[in-house]
Amino acid sequence: DVKVTQSSRYLVKRTGEKVFLECVQDMDHENMFWYRQDPGLGLRLIYFSYDVKMKEKGDIPEGYSVSREKKERFSLILESASTNQTSMYLCASSRDSPYNSPLHFGNGTRLTVT
Amino acid sequence: GENVEQHPSTLSVQEGDSAVIKCTYSDSASNYFPWYKQELGKGPQLIIDIRSNVGEKKDQRIAVTLNKTAKHFSLHITETQPEDSAVYFCAAITSGTYKYIFGTGTRLKVLA
Repeated sequence: DVKVTQSSRYLVKRTGEKVFLECVQDMDHENMFWYRQDPGLGLRLIYFSYDVKMKEKGDIPEGYSVSREKKERFSLILESASTNQTSMYLCASSRDSPYNSPLHFGNGTRLTVT
Repeated sequence: GENVEQHPSTLSVQEGDSAVIKCTYSDSASNYFPWYKQELGKGPQLIIDIRSNVGEKKDQRIAVTLNKTAKHFSLHITETQPEDSAVYFCAAITSGTYKYIFGTGTRLKVLA
């Protein structure tokens, strides 16, 4: 079974802090994704990566960056956290393109920025 | 831009009754439509999907139907059970792209 592990279940950070959200998958999947989940807005794609060191912007990349130095690890970085980045963050991976293989999600990191 | 509308946002049914969740997509190029179920405290998990060359697909108590002309697709759950209580998301994607467009989610409550 595919396992996508997000390092923290809950995080509380202060405005202006640099925040790192870590995600690791154990199935040698090519693609990894970061989504943000907010009530009434569904899941919105922040960034994705289709190969090591490759990254593409999603629909809401502003205020975020990502890093993929190794195939199994995909990090989301909030350069200077703001209160409007308080949200649930979901990492996902897929073996092939999402059209051909399903997304496997981690259990999420609930980030609160005060 | 492309979007997927999902209704209703909340749905309560009695155990044993059926539940239907509907989605409408805007991009006529979309050709793959998965449904994800998110249980409390967990990430979403794929439960069923349908491609544009098929009108209906069934897996035990769940089924999905697709009307390409109207750009509608629906999730049908029969004989609902308490463990069906969760948030359900529909999504649409076009082959060759990496971006799902997700609906806003439906919170299903199955009342015992």
